[in-house]
Amino acid sequence: EDQVTQSPEALRLQEGESSSLNCSYTVSGLRGLFWYRQDPGKGPEFLFTLYSAGEEKEKERLKATLTKKESFLHITAPKPEDSATYLCAVPGAGSYQLTFGKGTKLSVIP
Amino acid sequence: DTAVSQTPKYLVTQMGNDKSIKCEQNLGHDTMYWYKQDSKKFLKIMFSYNNKELIINETVPNRFSPKSPDKAHLNLHINSLELGDSAVYFCASSLDSYTEAFFGQGTRLTVV
Repeated sequence: EDQVTQSPEALRLQEGESSSLNCSYTVSGLRGLFWYRQDPGKGPEFLFTLYSAGEEKEKERLKATLTKKESFLHITAPKPEDSATYLCAVPGAGSYQLTFGKGTKLSVIP
Repeated sequence: DTAVSQTPKYLVTQMGNDKSIKCEQNLGHDTMYWYKQDSKKFLKIMFSYNNKELIINETVPNRFSPKSPDKAHLNLHINSLELGDSAVYFCASSLDSYTEAFFGQGTRLTVV
């Protein structure tokens, strides 16, 4: 069974304090890994797709990286507007679904 | 233009009632989904539809039934609502099973 584990569950950062969120996965043949951002009261917003180990994607202050066992979402010099829950997900093998982790709730304090 | 839209955004209803949530996508995607997000914010798949055919049906009570009149719509009908059905329900769509899914804004269902 596919498993996705995210850590930490919650993270508080001072504005400008860089850090990383972790997503470790167990799947039978990785077919991609997705990162989403979810704001309170809204649906998950797609951020990145990573398909192979060594791949990196960047968007503003966010950079996602992928290894054979885990993915990291690096946040450089975060701002309060980066506060949200960050979710990672992997597609299930042979089935039409995404398996999500439980998310990391990021709070950036001014 | 909203890519994935679902209605209503909020739904408060009594136990035992039957209700429906509607979802429409204008992305031309072949696959649509219903996810449930519980009080701990965990997203779990309920149903997937690919080209109007049900692909998977996780261990969801048969009181829940997805209905897809066409490729752009996937509605969720719930019979005999129970207190435990209270949650946020998200509709989503993707090009295929291995590409990113785009989500609607969610329907917060409260059963009283």
